[in-house]
Amino acid sequence: SSELTQDPAVSVALGQTVTITCQGDSLRSYYVSWYQQKPGQAPRLIIYGKNNRPSGIPDRISGSSSGNTASLTITGAQAEDEADYYCNSRDSSGDHVLFGGGTKLTVL
Amino acid sequence: QLQLQESGPGLVKPSETLSLTCTVSGYSINRSSYYWAWIRQPPGKGLEWIGSVYYSGSSFYNPSLKSRVTISMDTSRNQISLKLTSMTAADTADTAVYYCARHEHCDNCYSSYFDSWGRGILVTVSS
Repeated sequence: SSELTQDPAVSVALGQTVTITCQGDSLRSYYVSWYQQKPGQAPRLIIYGKNNRPSGIPDRISGSSSGNTASLTITGAQAEDEADYYCNSRDSSGDHVLFGGGTKLTVL
Repeated sequence: QLQLQESGPGLVKPSETLSLTCTVSGYSINRSSYYWAWIRQPPGKGLEWIGSVYYSGSSFYNPSLKSRVTISMDTSRNQISLKLTSMTAADTADTAVYYCARHEHCDNCYSSYFDSWGRGILVTVSS
């Protein structure tokens, strides 16, 4: 498969938990990574490999995967979490790189 | 501290070749372990991987852009360059913010991710 599919938009109430998903056949074989992008800024890696967080990413942000679906969960959503979120992985051949279309998260 | 800085023209004409440079500081690009990548993002749209180059000089590209793209390294200057031929005008993805990034893409780790990004450079295609 040459696609990663994300819901275009998701909303969450302040302090609640939200899950953003990413679907693709290649996710059965490869880990997904997640990025947060705020307006006017470059994307920032927030999850990679088997639920690893780079330094400085809070542990209320976590990742998981099952079958062809990967999930990014934000527990206790804060106003600062309002951003676009992108998933990325390899394609099914493993030779190329894919990005999902992105999910715009709104914190209400 | 690793930093990446893109540079190049902000405006190119249709049919011309785009040439961008990414200057890396705080890390030597000829060390093994990492690829170095270009990624672009049209205004208001999502991310698209363009291609990546390894310290050895080997490279791989997005199949949809492969015929137009060359990514190379200048290890003496610690720079990565992008050349994209036959730029087209509005309604295409060529008008975009172009990012360079450090790319972890190992054969045995079953993942591929970009752990450091430049701030990006907006390139507009217009006559």
